[in-house]
Amino acid sequence: QTVVTQEPSLTVSPGGTVTLTCASSTGPVTTGYFPNWFQQKPGQAPRSLIFATSSKHSWTPARFSGSVLGGKAALTLSDVQPEDEAEYYCLLYFGASQVVFGGGTKLTVL
Amino acid sequence: QVQLVESGGGVVQSGGSLRLSCSASGFSFSGYGMHWVRQAPGKGLEWVASIRFDGSKNYYTDSVKGRFAISRDNLKDTLYLQMNSLRPEDTAVYYCANGWEQRFDNWGQGTPVTVSS
Repeated sequence: QTVVTQEPSLTVSPGGTVTLTCASSTGPVTTGYFPNWFQQKPGQAPRSLIFATSSKHSWTPARFSGSVLGGKAALTLSDVQPEDEAEYYCLLYFGASQVVFGGGTKLTVL
Repeated sequence: QVQLVESGGGVVQSGGSLRLSCSASGFSFSGYGMHWVRQAPGKGLEWVASIRFDGSKNYYTDSVKGRFAISRDNLKDTLYLQMNSLRPEDTAVYYCANGWEQRFDNWGQGTPVTVSS
């Protein structure tokens, strides 16, 4: 059973920078796991922000960026805005029959 | 714009069945893989099943194999999830999403499923 681990919670000040990470129990995360990142606000459906490690959608704000750093997938938010307060989920693709979401990081902007 | 609208959720007794639908518009449905993802109350996201753009291959998480079946009708631009032998632990909001195998680009608003024991 593959487990994908994220920080349970993080707090950042408005205008600051924060990095969320996504680790795999199988070993270092690589771009071959096609990391995805999703944002979910209370009562709403998830929204895709990043796919294939660092690719953005047309709707992804420029202040969001994805990477692989130190064996983990990472989502960095720069110039954090109050509206960025949300739950963030990563996803790792281990194969068509093994797609695993992380447990989520609750980001508080304070 | 892309729209995905799920329906078919409800309350069902343990051991019962439900069929979820996801009606798609605003994109070329027959050219995209599709996924089902669920979220139990107060919990995180869990991938459930995926289907290739032409319906030629289906993939399932272990806990639903043999009980759930994903399918699609490319003429009706609709995705389905047939759920049989439902268990209380299947209680969740079920979302459909579009995208190639490693992508989950656009999501519907979800349909809630409650399995009572």
